[in-house]
Amino acid sequence: QSVLTQPPSVSAAPGQKVTISCSGSSSNIGNNYVSWYQQLPGTAPKLLIYENNKRPSGIPDRFSGSKSGTSATLGITGLQTGDEADYYCGTWDSSLSALFGGGTKLTVL
Amino acid sequence: EVQLVESGGGLVQPGGSLKLSCAASGFTFSGSAMHWVRQASGKGLEWVGRIRSKANSYATAYAASVKGRFTISRDDSKNTAYLQMNSLKTEDTAVYYCTSQRWLQFDYWGQGTLVTVSS
Repeated sequence: QSVLTQPPSVSAAPGQKVTISCSGSSSNIGNNYVSWYQQLPGTAPKLLIYENNKRPSGIPDRFSGSKSGTSATLGITGLQTGDEADYYCGTWDSSLSALFGGGTKLTVL
Repeated sequence: EVQLVESGGGLVQPGGSLKLSCAASGFTFSGSAMHWVRQASGKGLEWVGRIRSKANSYATAYAASVKGRFTISRDDSKNTAYLQMNSLKTEDTAVYYCTSQRWLQFDYWGQGTLVTVSS
């Protein structure tokens, strides 16, 4: 049972938009930046969003992040079949130990 | 090009030990905190622990599930981080990733190495 709560799965059609939520508490998300990681099937995780809403070089602007209070949201627009992956939110607790959400499987129908 | 390459995984009996290595290149390894994250088959990511840089006294921290059994170390002269795993349990079976921390995110990840604990 992860401290950060994500929906197990989301789905949408190609070209559509989807959002993935990540819910925590004041001891983690509420007082720390949130990152998002994409894990394509059979590969290692990859940084997608950092400091709540920033994209590393090479990440398209179809991916966006936001944070409000003790929750964060990943948004993906213009869905492509290549976006099918598991998505994880990450943050830190009060002792600066890393925390991950349980992961959300995105299916592009 | 940044690379993190894990090695040392394999099959080990319950109660046994294993030492994983993470060889880094393409970035300033000595200045980076290094973490280990594991993922059991079909499950999510679980943080294992981290070691900070020399400037931060090589401070270590561990998840409660591995504290007292696992030890993280590093050799900056070899650009390599290590994960020594003792008293292994079947529930430690997972793919183990090393990852580098930049500010408050994990910017680079290795490809992972599989550890199987089974009799």
